[in-house]
Amino acid sequence: DQQVKQNSPSLSVQEGRISILNCDYTNSMFDYFLWYKKYPAEGPTFLISISSIKDKNEDGRFTVFLNKSAKHLSLHIVPSQPGDSAVYFCAAKRRDDKIIFGKGTRLHILP
Amino acid sequence: DAGVIQSPRHEVTEMGQEVTLRCKPISGHNSLFWYRQTMMRGLELLIYFNNNVPIDDSGMPEDRFSAKMPNASFSTLKIQPSEPRDSAVYFCASSLVVTGGSPLHFGNGTRLTVT
Repeated sequence: DQQVKQNSPSLSVQEGRISILNCDYTNSMFDYFLWYKKYPAEGPTFLISISSIKDKNEDGRFTVFLNKSAKHLSLHIVPSQPGDSAVYFCAAKRRDDKIIFGKGTRLHILP
Repeated sequence: DAGVIQSPRHEVTEMGQEVTLRCKPISGHNSLFWYRQTMMRGLELLIYFNNNVPIDDSGMPEDRFSAKMPNASFSTLKIQPSEPRDSAVYFCASSLVVTGGSPLHFGNGTRLTVT
């Protein structure tokens, strides 16, 4: 039973355009949502997070939007750069600090 | 800050052998997590510790898997006996849980191949 779902295994975006990565969750007990970025042969690195009481958080080129009624969040990257090509994981944290990840979306930034 | 250190980086072993993966969390962090990454299942949480105490091991696939955290600076994940389906990348991560969305800091993983 997947509690955090990333339904797009991959996404290709032209350099300079906006990349939108989506994530859905099924459990209302999550209090934080996080996005991680992963390059090959490295561990995931933290990108940005959002509290369940907020609907938007922005950090430079990265913005995360949370729609609680739809149990949906998205990560927007604008403008997309070649170095953004990586696998992006959506994660959700429960109040007991358990953190559950989605399967990831591979983002390709095209020149 | 050396980050989370995992060893070995790669492990190749034969079915039936015991495998021990090691993790040194970031100094001062009070939570430690073991994840397994496969193509089919993505990043699965196996077990996590808070202040060296196992909190949730419901993700440990079978009794063949065990994890320990004897002190705040060291943890092991052991598979005995190993099977080919255990082949995956195993990640250790640590965090300082105070309040809020404390991010996890991951090591670079151990790629395990069981033949």
